[in-house]
Amino acid sequence: GNSVTQMEGPVTLSEEAFLTINCTYTATGYPSLFWYVQYPGEGLQLLLKATKADDKGSNKGFEATYRKETTSFHLEKGSVQVSDSAVYFCALSDRTGTASKLTFGTGTRLQVTL
Amino acid sequence: SAVISQKPSRDICQRGTSLTIQCQVDSQVTMMFWYRQQPGQSLTLIATANQGSEATYESGFVIDKFPISRPNLTFSTLTVSNMSPEDSSIYLCSVRTGGENSPLHFGNGTRLTVT
Repeated sequence: GNSVTQMEGPVTLSEEAFLTINCTYTATGYPSLFWYVQYPGEGLQLLLKATKADDKGSNKGFEATYRKETTSFHLEKGSVQVSDSAVYFCALSDRTGTASKLTFGTGTRLQVTL
Repeated sequence: SAVISQKPSRDICQRGTSLTIQCQVDSQVTMMFWYRQQPGQSLTLIATANQGSEATYESGFVIDKFPISRPNLTFSTLTVSNMSPEDSSIYLCSVRTGGENSPLHFGNGTRLTVT
């Protein structure tokens, strides 16, 4: 079946540091890949997405590249801010499966300090 | 993207009681889903809310415990029945507004604590 594996948190960084959150996946078909962010006390928000191999999703300074050869979708940001402190979820949607299910990773908590 | 309103935003309930969570979307959507996020864990799909027919439940979830209604294309409810402390979670409504592998959009969730 489908699965998503994320690096465990929490990840603690100083402001302006470089961020990488690793995500790898297992899927039976050709999935679309997503990163969601959950700020404290809020629901999930879509951060970025990529629908096919070599696509790069980007938003708010975050980037992730769909790497089919390594089945990865690592999230990166060149310079984090305190306001980026949140939980980040990697997810996939498999177009060969039954309609409309997302499989989520366990989430990685990011804490950015001054 | 759709605007999703979920209520209540939080509640504290006694064991053995039931709570109904409402999800209202500002536009008609085909696909609506209910997820559970237990403390410190990821999201687990409870069921797909089908308009005009019974919900489709995932393994480990049953209609008697989590009855779902979907009377139209903009509204759904999830009831958590006969609650126990193990049901303490965040319950999230989500919708898909695009094609089959388009992203989900989420409400802000209902934080439920069962004492």
